[in-house]
Parts: sequence; C-alpha cells; structure tokens
Amino acid sequence: AQSVTQLGSHVSVSEGALVLLRCNYSSSVPPYLFWYVQYPNQGLQLLLKYTSAATLVKGINGFEAEFKKSETSFHLTKPSAHMSDAAEYFCAVNINQAGTALIFGKGTTLSVSS
Amino acid sequence: DTGVSQDPRHKITKRGQNVTFRCDPISEHNRLYWYRQTLGQGPEFLTYFQNEAQLEKSRLLSDRFSAERPKGSFSTLEIQRTEQGDSAMYLCASSPSGGRAYNEQFFGPGTRLTVL
Repeated sequence: AQSVTQLGSHVSVSEGALVLLRCNYSSSVPPYLFWYVQYPNQGLQLLLKYTSAATLVKGINGFEAEFKKSETSFHLTKPSAHMSDAAEYFCAVNINQAGTALIFGKGTTLSVSS
Repeated sequence: DTGVSQDPRHKITKRGQNVTFRCDPISEHNRLYWYRQTLGQGPEFLTYFQNEAQLEKSRLLSDRFSAERPKGSFSTLEIQRTEQGDSAMYLCASSPSGGRAYNEQFFGPGTRLTVL
C-alpha cells in the first residue's frame, strides 16, 4: 500500500524567496511520485513527475523536486517565488501498474506576499 | 487536445434528490478515473475504467453511487438519494495506455456539488 504525508498545511513566503514544500511517501514497491497544483475552483494541473529515471525532476513554472529514496522524500522547490505561485499543492504517489489510482496527500496551501 | 471536460461545473441540490455528472476524457485516453475532494483534503479515489469496463471501485463508492462509461468514451457518475455528506468536488481524470504520458493522469475542472 502507498501513502503520502505533506508536512505543513500552510506555507507563507515573500515574493522572490525560496519555496520548499515537503512530501514524504510510503510504498512497498518502487513508487511513481507526482506534484500537482490546484488554483481555487479548478482541477489539478501536473507540475512534475518522478517515474524512476533521473532523481532530480524539473517541472513547469520553475519548480523542481528531488527523489530521495533513503529519506522517502520528494520535496518540491522553486528558487524564487512569484505571486502567481499562490495556490494549493498536492503530492501524490502510485506504482508502475496499469490503472492504479493516485494516492494524494492533504495538500499544502502556499501564500506569497509582496 | 481540448483536455478533460466536466459538466456541470456546479450543482446545488436538496437532500434526497438524485444527481448525475458527466466527464468527457481526452479523446485518445482509454483510462478514466473519478475522485472526490472535500474541503481541506486531497482528492480520494472513487472508481476506474479501462475503456468501458469498470475495473476498480473504492469502498468510498457506496451503493448510492454508480458510474458508467458506455462505449468507452464519456463517463457518468450518479448519486442517488443525496446526503449532505456528499457535498464535495467531484474530479474526473483520464490517462493514456502508453507513450510518454503513460501513468500520468490529466484532470478536469471538477463538478462542485452542494447538498442542502
């Protein structure tokens, strides 16, 4: 079985500051890991995914994440926050098996102040 | 590629009424998923179709819920005798069976259900 824990339900940063959103996973088999972003009253948009290739994954809008097996982590970072990054971010896990559901964390709300 | 679409975007109903939501996946995607998202939570899996076959159902999908995907194209999710606890955002996602986006799920905008 798989599970995801997102540490910190709310993160606040200043514009231009580093963004760090934490995600730890649990999986009995090699996982696939994803970060999604959700703006108010909208669906989820994929930021990036890890599927057992490079451990450092680059995504859209300047975000990246590093898969660390020893720490069972997949933290999301962005060097410089922009006001438009304010949204809810979800980490999710599944496995390399056709049609498996995504297991999501509870989400982290990112606020960006000017 | 027009993306995943869902209809309606918002639905307000009274307790005890039946509601039906529709999802149109990306045209070449043969896998379709339904999730439910309540306030302050991440989406939770409800059910999965491969083509027209419903292959997996979560224990969250009570007897009042039914989903179909006739002809392997669009899908419907029906909730009978709605309860206030059914109030949530219902999300649909689709994914291809191969290619670079294999195992990547593309989400629609969701249908927000409010049960009064």
